[in-house]
Amino acid sequence: EVQLVESGGGLVQPGGSLRLSCAASGFDFIYRWMYWVRQAPGKGLVWVSRVDSAAVTTNYEDSVKGRFTISRDNRRNAVYLQMNGLRAEDTAVYYCVSLYSSSRSQYFQHWGQGTLVTVSS
Amino acid sequence: DIQVTQSPSYLSTSIGDRITISCRASENIDTYLNWYQQKPGKAPKLLIDSASSLQSGVPSRFSGGGSGTDFTLTITSLQPEDFATYYCQQSYRFPPTFGQGTKLEIE
Repeated sequence: EVQLVESGGGLVQPGGSLRLSCAASGFDFIYRWMYWVRQAPGKGLVWVSRVDSAAVTTNYEDSVKGRFTISRDNRRNAVYLQMNGLRAEDTAVYYCVSLYSSSRSQYFQHWGQGTLVTVSS
Repeated sequence: DIQVTQSPSYLSTSIGDRITISCRASENIDTYLNWYQQKPGKAPKLLIDSASSLQSGVPSRFSGGGSGTDFTLTITSLQPEDFATYYCQQSYRFPPTFGQGTKLEIE
């Protein structure tokens, strides 16, 4: 059974930090690009960050560049998102997502249940 | 970034109806268009990839079509469990971008 289980969300004050974790099982995690996708309350889906299978390449959405850091540990089948300098606009449910990619298709195949990050004083 | 525009944003409809949701990309994305269903408090679930390829286990009343810039998601004979929010997403070029969503509501 495929599982992506996020943890680490919670309430944090503006300027604070959180580290999200995602534990993966049941699929070929070590070969997949992994993403964090977030959804602000009542809003749509937005990609936040991604890391390649070897943890060599990382990318960030502009609003989180310089504040968030994505990483992964293929020995533990885990991906992480270190979030520093949190702002109210970072309040969202954060999903850990695996990407399926082939020559003719690419899609977000597996999703975690999400973890809520609330930034408020 | 490639912009993806969905319409309508809301659709009030009834059980048994046939509905179509549209998704338009700001440039040609071939068939690199995916559809997701999201129910309240749950993660999105992939329904259709590559514009028209139905995921295993998804009922055949769901279908997708289109290529280039214009795409559709059609649900024939709506069932109670289909009332949810639907998102399209382009995967032609990084970064991936989503439509703003279409919420199906019971009339």
